[in-house]
This record gives sequence, C-alpha cells and structure tokens, in this order.
Amino acid sequence: AQSVTQLDSQVPVFEEAPVELRCNYSSSVSVYLFWYVQYPNQGLQLLLKYLSGSTLVESINGFEAEFNKSQTSFHLRKPSVHISDTAEYFCAVRTYPNFGNEKLTFGTGTRLTIIP
Amino acid sequence: DTGVSQDPRHKITKRGQNVTFRCDPISEHNRLYWYRQTLGQGPEFLTYFQNEAQLEKSRLLSDRFSAERPKGSFSTLEIQRTEQGDSAMYLCASSLSPTYNEQFFGPGTRLTVL
Repeated sequence: AQSVTQLDSQVPVFEEAPVELRCNYSSSVSVYLFWYVQYPNQGLQLLLKYLSGSTLVESINGFEAEFNKSQTSFHLRKPSVHISDTAEYFCAVRTYPNFGNEKLTFGTGTRLTIIP
Repeated sequence: DTGVSQDPRHKITKRGQNVTFRCDPISEHNRLYWYRQTLGQGPEFLTYFQNEAQLEKSRLLSDRFSAERPKGSFSTLEIQRTEQGDSAMYLCASSLSPTYNEQFFGPGTRLTVL
C-alpha cells in the first residue's frame, strides 16, 4: 500500500519570501504525484501533477515541484509568496498500473500562512 | 458553473439516524469518487464508480455505508445508524478516462452527528 507524509502541518512565511512544502511518499510500485490546494471555504483544486517525463513541473501561479525518485519526494516550492497563497496544501499519490486501483492517497496537509 | 456539486452542504443529525448525500459530477465524467476528510487529516478514499459500476471500496466503508450511481450520472452516499465517529466532510470527485486525468472535487458535505 502507498502512503504520503507531509512533514509540516503549519508553515508561516513572510510575504515575498520563498517557501518549500515537503512531501515524501512510500510505494512499492510506480506512482503519479499531485499537489492539491484548498483555499478557505473552497473545495480542493489541482495545483500541479507529475505523470512522467521532466521531473520538474510547474503551475500557472508560480509554484513548482520536483519529483525525486531516489528520495521518494515531491516537494512544492515557490520563490516569492503572496497573501493570496494562504491555503492548505495536500500532496497525493496514485499508483500505476492501476489494476483497478483508482484512489488518491493524500497526506495530512500543510497549512501555509502568509504574514504581511 | 459546471463543476462537481454536492447536496446538502451541511447536515446535522442525531446519532442513530440515517442520512443521504448526493453528488452530481461534471457532465460526461464517467468516473466518480467518494472521500471522507476529518479534522486535521487529508481526504481518505471511500469508494469509486466507473459509470454505474462500483469498482472499488475501502475498508473504511463499513456495512452502514452504501453508495450508488444508478444511471452512471449522479451518485448517492447513504449512512445508516449514524455514529459520532461519522462526523466528517464527505467529498465527491469526478474524472474522465484515462486514469491519469485529474480528479475534480466538489465543495463537500459536512456531516455533524450529535
């Protein structure tokens, strides 16, 4: 079975400072990797995903994540955060080939708070 | 807006009562998922449908839980004889084949069992 560990439950960061949200996973088979974001009072939204190819993936709002197979990590980074980035961030994995296993396995989330 | 919708958004019930939640997926999405999220935790998978067929169920889905997707469109999740431990946010998501496509989540139904 697969699992996801998000090491930090809360991360406070000053506005315009860089941030890294850590995610490590465990799986005996290959995985797809995802970061979802949940803004206050909203549903989960996909931020970015790694399926194959380049290990560095980017979102449209300046976030990026790098898949590191040897360290089984998929950390999320942003060089300069904004107040609007305040949200809860969830890392998730899905194994493949699926053989009927369609579920996403989520970490416990990291609450990112931007300090003005 | 044509996203995933869930009804009701909030439900308060007494222990022992039955509750039913509805999820309307994005039109033409053939896959539908139910997850449960408790405070301080990430969403946990409950069950998954491809069209009307329920293909996978988590061990979290006890005998008191049942989910249906009768015509391959909307889905219902029923909890019988609710317990306080059932209090959680119930999330629905939908996606379109193939399997690596994004799961789009609804706003959730928050259940409080008194």
